[in-house]
Amino acid sequence: GAGVSQSPRYKVAKRGQDVALRCDPISGHVSLFWYQQALGQGPEFLTYFQNEAQLDKSGLPSDRFFAERPEGSVSTLKIQRTQQEDSAVYLCASRPLPGTENYEQYFGPGTRLTVT
Amino acid sequence: AQSVTQPDIHITVSEGASLELRCNYSYGATPYLFWYVQSPGQGLQLLLKYFSGDTLVQGIKGFEAEFKRSQSSFNLRKPSVHWSDAAEYFCAVGGTGRRALTFGSGTRLQVQP
Repeated sequence: GAGVSQSPRYKVAKRGQDVALRCDPISGHVSLFWYQQALGQGPEFLTYFQNEAQLDKSGLPSDRFFAERPEGSVSTLKIQRTQQEDSAVYLCASRPLPGTENYEQYFGPGTRLTVT
Repeated sequence: AQSVTQPDIHITVSEGASLELRCNYSYGATPYLFWYVQSPGQGLQLLLKYFSGDTLVQGIKGFEAEFKRSQSSFNLRKPSVHWSDAAEYFCAVGGTGRRALTFGSGTRLQVQP
């Protein structure tokens, strides 16, 4: 079946612009995670949704970052007033039911954001 | 707090040679451990995972990993490397319940012909 998809794949923004990054998880997956991967680093957690509820946003680096998943499927990560330090690959991952033995997260291809 | 250390930033091996990528973790309970591979411009693909049971785990593409609780390690191995294995490899811990994965900083593997 279809995997996790993300759009756009590449985004160039001028400093100060707002951007919106979209994630389409695997159909039926309850859990959705956003990660930020800076160049040469491993992914770092941003936020977690269970269905439409945002249960953990402790990883969001500033109040310029906002995420939503209003209908419990597609999620959008929004970054306001982008800064150069926001340049990174943003990865989305989904997972089936929480609390099951299958803790594998399925990752999308990511959105590479470059802020100029 | 959970953490992962991958001590080798970059490794070069010859095609056909054996490979071992190191991973050490810190976790407050029984760890759930993963190895992912990332090719340029691609997302993360799961190679293998350890939850419990047999400490030697087999994965895809001929990879295996051994969980050693006494050493807090989960090293990835492959007996014979192929040129297509050149990529970035990430070890990760956690991911249970609402917990996100905590990743190491990765090891870039280069394969020489």
